[in-house]
Amino acid sequence: NAGVTQTPKFRVLKTGQSMTLLCAQDMNHEYMYWYRQDPGMGLRLIHYSVGEGTTAKGEVPDGYNVSRLKKQNFLLGLESAAPSQTSVYFCASSGLRTNGKGGEQFFGPGTRLTVL
Amino acid sequence: AQSVTQPDIHITVSEGASLELRCNYSYGATPYLFWYVQSPGQGLQLLLKYFSGDTLVQGIKGFEAEFKRSQSSFNLRKPSVHWSDAAEYFCAVGAPANFGNEKLTFGTGTRLTIIP
Repeated sequence: NAGVTQTPKFRVLKTGQSMTLLCAQDMNHEYMYWYRQDPGMGLRLIHYSVGEGTTAKGEVPDGYNVSRLKKQNFLLGLESAAPSQTSVYFCASSGLRTNGKGGEQFFGPGTRLTVL
Repeated sequence: AQSVTQPDIHITVSEGASLELRCNYSYGATPYLFWYVQSPGQGLQLLLKYFSGDTLVQGIKGFEAEFKRSQSSFNLRKPSVHWSDAAEYFCAVGAPANFGNEKLTFGTGTRLTIIP
């Protein structure tokens, strides 16, 4: 049981390049999330998904796109990277909360992205 | 909209000493409250959570937190810290979302350093 995994762990891009970050979870969770973490700002929600084929915007969605074609995977895309997107990206997943139990978010190890 | 304030950016304590990390939240109703810990280069791990009921909640690794509605606080405590507790600690408030679970808003974190 690997939990939440993220690929790649590190990446350096040039301005204008594109890339996709992959998140996978093996806990059969319904919900998945992408956050970015910047110094002094905590984690901010980029996009989230409540199920296969559905996505929604979070707090800071501009410049990012997401897709959830399979329940276990949640992809984060940068079409044209900018230096302001230099950050550490975390994926999380959570299951349904039932009778006040469960539903907490489990986090992956993060991807450190640098845009030059 | 909800918000979280962690007033202490960095705290240093001696090994074996007691610890209290402060968290204040702003939310219009009874919040869901969480404490997460992040070790260097790692993802976030849930320490404990408060949904309702007993205002003193116990978590993993010997941590506890107390919800005080009158002070809008959810401070994290540990009676005796260990060198392995050195990490960054995040408080988060969850606002129920239309999909049943909640979206989290994180504080900016408190970095804990342990000295021998």
